Amino acid sequence: GAGVSQTPSNKVTEKGKYVELRCDPISGHTALYWYRQSLGQGPEFLIYFQGTGAADDSGLPNDRFFAVRPEGSVSTLKIQRTERGDSAVYLCASSVLGQANTGELFFGEGSRLTVL
Amino acid sequence: DAKTTQPPSMDCAEGRAANLPCNHSTISGNEYVYWYRQIHSQGPQYIIHGLKNNETNEMASLIITEDRKSSTLILPHATLRDTAVYYCIVCGTGKLIFGQGTTLQVKP
Repeated sequence: GAGVSQTPSNKVTEKGKYVELRCDPISGHTALYWYRQSLGQGPEFLIYFQGTGAADDSGLPNDRFFAVRPEGSVSTLKIQRTERGDSAVYLCASSVLGQANTGELFFGEGSRLTVL
Repeated sequence: DAKTTQPPSMDCAEGRAANLPCNHSTISGNEYVYWYRQIHSQGPQYIIHGLKNNETNEMASLIITEDRKSSTLILPHATLRDTAVYYCIVCGTGKLIFGQGTTLQVKP
């Protein structure tokens, strides 16, 4: 079966522009997570959806970052007024339950964002 | 979530067992120990998890001390393809918090 799919795989944009990154989770997975990873660092948690709602958005760095999952499947991470410091690999993961002590996440290959 | 401590890097000879340690001295009673790995330019991959008992699957074994304050991931016969960053994570809320992990280099 298909894994977690992320598009685009690479995105180059200019400072100040708006960017959308898309994640298609594994079919039937109710939980969806966004992480970002800078070079040489471990993945940094951004936001977690349980169904359509954001169950935990404590990792979003500021109000330029926003994520939606309107139908409980596909999710879009939106970044407004991009800054050079936003350059990173943005990882999406999904899991069957997303409840406590259910940490078997399936990750996509990531979207590499470069802000010039 | 409890914090974990891992050595930044380790080497292992191909075909030998790789033993990756992790300290999690502040782990709570309902928190699991998870191991993930990340091969260069790929997303993290789940390996194994456990609560109290030792666990084994087709990829690895997980040994958790009786006091649960530390654990060891064992790759029984390391191959060159096992070269990766290995993350030990303590999770109690469904949200995985990654540290820096251990970079394992398997050498021929």
